[in-house]
Amino acid sequence: EDQVTQSPEALRLQEGESSSLNCSYTVSGLRGLFWYRQDPGKGPEFLFTLYSAGEEKEKERLKATLTKKESFLHITAPKPEDSATYLCAVQANVYSTLTFGKGTMLLVSP
Amino acid sequence: GAGVSQSPRYKVAKRGQDVALRCDPISGHVSLFWYQQALGQGPEFLTYFQNEAQLDKSGLPSDRFFAERPEGSVSTLKIQRTQQEDSAVYLCASSLSSFDEQYFGPGTRLTVT
Repeated sequence: EDQVTQSPEALRLQEGESSSLNCSYTVSGLRGLFWYRQDPGKGPEFLFTLYSAGEEKEKERLKATLTKKESFLHITAPKPEDSATYLCAVQANVYSTLTFGKGTMLLVSP
Repeated sequence: GAGVSQSPRYKVAKRGQDVALRCDPISGHVSLFWYQQALGQGPEFLTYFQNEAQLDKSGLPSDRFFAERPEGSVSTLKIQRTQQEDSAVYLCASSLSSFDEQYFGPGTRLTVT
C-alpha cells in the first residue's frame, strides 16, 4: 500500500526565515511525486512534479527536491502570502491515482 | 483558459437525502478524478474516468456512492441516502492524460445534518 507522511504537521515562520518541509513516501514503483499548495476553502493548486531521484525544480521562493525515499520543499525567504497548506502526493507506476499526505500547514508572520 | 469548476460550492443535506455534485473539467482533459477531503486531511481518491469509461472506482466508500461521465466531459458524483460521515469536501480534478499533473476544482463542501 502506498504511503505518504509529511512533517511537520504545522510550521510557523517569520517573514524571511527559510525552512524546509518533508515528505517521506513508500510506493511500489514511483511514477511521479507531486507538490500542491492549498489555500483555505480552495482546491489544491499544482506546484511541481518530480520523477527521479536527484531531480530539482524551482518556482519563485520554492524549490522541490527528490531522493529515493523522500522529497523536500525548501522555502527561501518566505513572505506572508506563502502561508497555505502544502500537500505532497505520489503516483505509482501501475495506477494513475494520487496518494496524498495530510499536508503541512505553513504560517508566515510579517 | 477556464479551470475546473464544481457546483454547488456548498450543500447542506438532511440525513437520508440524495445529493448530486457536478464537475466541469478543463476542456480537452481526458482524465477526471473525484476525491474526498476530510477536515485536516489530504484528499482521498474515490474514482477515476478516462473519457466516459470509469476505470477505477475502488475508493468509493459504499454502494451509496455513484459517479458517471456519460459524454466524456461533465461528471456527476451522486450520494444516495446521505449519512453524517459523508460530510466532507468533494474535489474534482482533471488532467490531459492519466499520468499528467491533475488540476483541481474548488470543491463542494457537503454537510449532512
